[in-house]
Amino acid sequence: QKEVEQDPGPLSVPEGAIVSLNCTYSNSAFQYFMWYRQYSRKGPELLMYTYSSGNKEDGRFTAQVDKSSKYISLFIRDSQPSDSATYLCAMSARSSSGSARQLTFGSGTQLTVLP
Amino acid sequence: DTEVTQTPKHLVMGMTNKKSLKCEQHMGHRAMYWYKQKAKKPPELMFVYSYEKLSINESVPSRFSPECPNSSLLNLHLHALQPEDSALYLCASSQDPTSSPRQPQHFGDGTRLSIL
Repeated sequence: QKEVEQDPGPLSVPEGAIVSLNCTYSNSAFQYFMWYRQYSRKGPELLMYTYSSGNKEDGRFTAQVDKSSKYISLFIRDSQPSDSATYLCAMSARSSSGSARQLTFGSGTQLTVLP
Repeated sequence: DTEVTQTPKHLVMGMTNKKSLKCEQHMGHRAMYWYKQKAKKPPELMFVYSYEKLSINESVPSRFSPECPNSSLLNLHLHALQPEDSALYLCASSQDPTSSPRQPQHFGDGTRLSIL
């Protein structure tokens, strides 16, 4: 079983729809949660970052973390064709030392928003 | 445009060539990373530098050799690569690794590498 599971899609929605993207994880040491958006031929772009359970909102994007269920979500309201991209969830554990910690990525969900 | 700059954007090389990929950030970040990404797959970690010292090497073949000349620069030296090494090579950086809470990684747009 992978540490992080993410439905790869592809997911197609009409413009204006609410999109829900999800990841589950098995490692209870994960404390930091990120969503990245990656357009074709570009690097991943950080969309949302949170380290506590609950919701975090930024414009049309809402990140939700439920540590008790080991489940995170990204909601996109009023989706636009420009939101068409691959969305990667990523997480990392707290480090007791001063070393940098690596990310564990989900497999990515390919989203297409149709005009 | 990202704040992590990678050059070149594209590179085609033969299996006997030696080339280098470069990464630069001016955000004052003290951790820098190299990732390899194949099509329709998530990035795979290769190396981590923390305060200019190599802290993680994910069992990467020796034909890949990282170098961190200073806190803003990260290089990846390539020699005798194989066709299966063709991929998008991503650089990332993050703030002081000792900070709490940990800060997220910011990625460049990558170098698309093709091995003939």
